[in-house]
Amino acid sequence: EAGVAQSPRYKIIEKRQSVAFWCNPISGHATLYWYQQILGQGPKLLIQFQNNGVVDDSQLPKDRFSAERLKGVDSTLKIQPAKLEDSAVYLCASSSLAQRGAIGEQFFGPGTRLTVL
Amino acid sequence: KQEVTQIPAALSVPEGENLVLNCSFTDSAIYNLQWFRQDPGKGLTSLLLIQSSQREQTSGRLNASLDKSSGRSTLYIAASQPGDSATYLCAVSTSGSRLTFGEGTQLTVNP
Repeated sequence: EAGVAQSPRYKIIEKRQSVAFWCNPISGHATLYWYQQILGQGPKLLIQFQNNGVVDDSQLPKDRFSAERLKGVDSTLKIQPAKLEDSAVYLCASSSLAQRGAIGEQFFGPGTRLTVL
Repeated sequence: KQEVTQIPAALSVPEGENLVLNCSFTDSAIYNLQWFRQDPGKGLTSLLLIQSSQREQTSGRLNASLDKSSGRSTLYIAASQPGDSATYLCAVSTSGSRLTFGEGTQLTVNP
């Protein structure tokens, strides 16, 4: 079974530029997550999709971050304009729909390491 | 607001030693708890998932326990090997399926 795919793996940009990340979840997984992991910290959820609808975007800085999941499969996360503090690893994860009494296990991609200069 | 704490932040042990990593969380109303491994520059690999109704899970040399009432989980690694060197992250799922992560324990196993 193929895992979660992400691209690019690395990106270096100047502050105030725009950047986009792409994620392809595990086939059949209805739920997709984007996390931000700052160096030395645990990942923080930015946005969660169920199929192509947003379930939770309470921690997404909406003035500069946006995400979409057209057709309920692939997803893109965009930052416009980027700030120095956006330097982090952006992780995508997916899970199957929760079964009764259990929440689906999340599987993570390799991440995109963003450096903002 | 759920908060997850992992102790210690870093741990260095000789090869072959048994070790315990600790995780505590403030809100006991969780759906499940996951332990992950993260190698430098890589994504997260799921090690063990414990549902809220379970007390422990085992996989090979790994054993994770969950005590919801006290808000604690431990990850036990038996007969540690240099290949176990990585950062270990604990995460709990509360509302919906949002995961709240701790900051991790950086483990080094010396040959």
